[in-house]
Amino acid sequence: EIVMTQSPATLSVSPGERATLSCRASRRVSSNLAWYQQQRPGQAPRLLIYGASTRVTGVPARFSGGGSGTEFILTISSLQSEDFAVYYCQQYDNWPRTFGQGTKVEIK
Amino acid sequence: EVQLVESGGGLVQPGGSLRLSCATSGFAFTTYDMHWVRQGPGKGLEWVSTITATNDKYYTDSLRGRFTISRDNAKNSFYLQMTNLRAGDTAVYFCARDYFGLDYWGQGTLVTVSS
Repeated sequence: EIVMTQSPATLSVSPGERATLSCRASRRVSSNLAWYQQQRPGQAPRLLIYGASTRVTGVPARFSGGGSGTEFILTISSLQSEDFAVYYCQQYDNWPRTFGQGTKVEIK
Repeated sequence: EVQLVESGGGLVQPGGSLRLSCATSGFAFTTYDMHWVRQGPGKGLEWVSTITATNDKYYTDSLRGRFTISRDNAKNSFYLQMTNLRAGDTAVYFCARDYFGLDYWGQGTLVTVSS
């Protein structure tokens, strides 16, 4: 099983500032990496990025993804109020599919 | 419009069974892999199972043998049969469509395992 490790667990950021979230895979997953945003626990997540760096249609340009292999980054260039949420990475290169444990982006 | 709607959740005693359903519409269901993902109380997302368009089935290791995924292409629906349920299976269960990541999700259905 590929273990996905996200850091930090919690990121405190002021509105308008930049946020950088990391995701590391225990084995190479090529670019088969997705990022999701979950606004509230129990609410359906929203796919933001797939293929490590491709933004889903309708996702604001302030969200960008990068990386390949084992190291990935999600950047939110200027945080808006609606961006304070939990973010998950997920690899879809191998079975079983695995999620990271999440990074909570909170208001500083 | 793509829609996924889960049903079948509820309160069940330990050792009991439940069958979750995910009814879909608005896309060519037969051509997509479909997933179940769960989220326990206060926990992160956990991938549970996938059924591919060609009917291959995959499960997270800890659940194999207790959970069975299936699909009915005529009804544009897929299912998760859960048996021998434990307290640790308490979670919101989401169904989702696979398109380079899980691009559409249902609203979730709550499964509570408790006596």
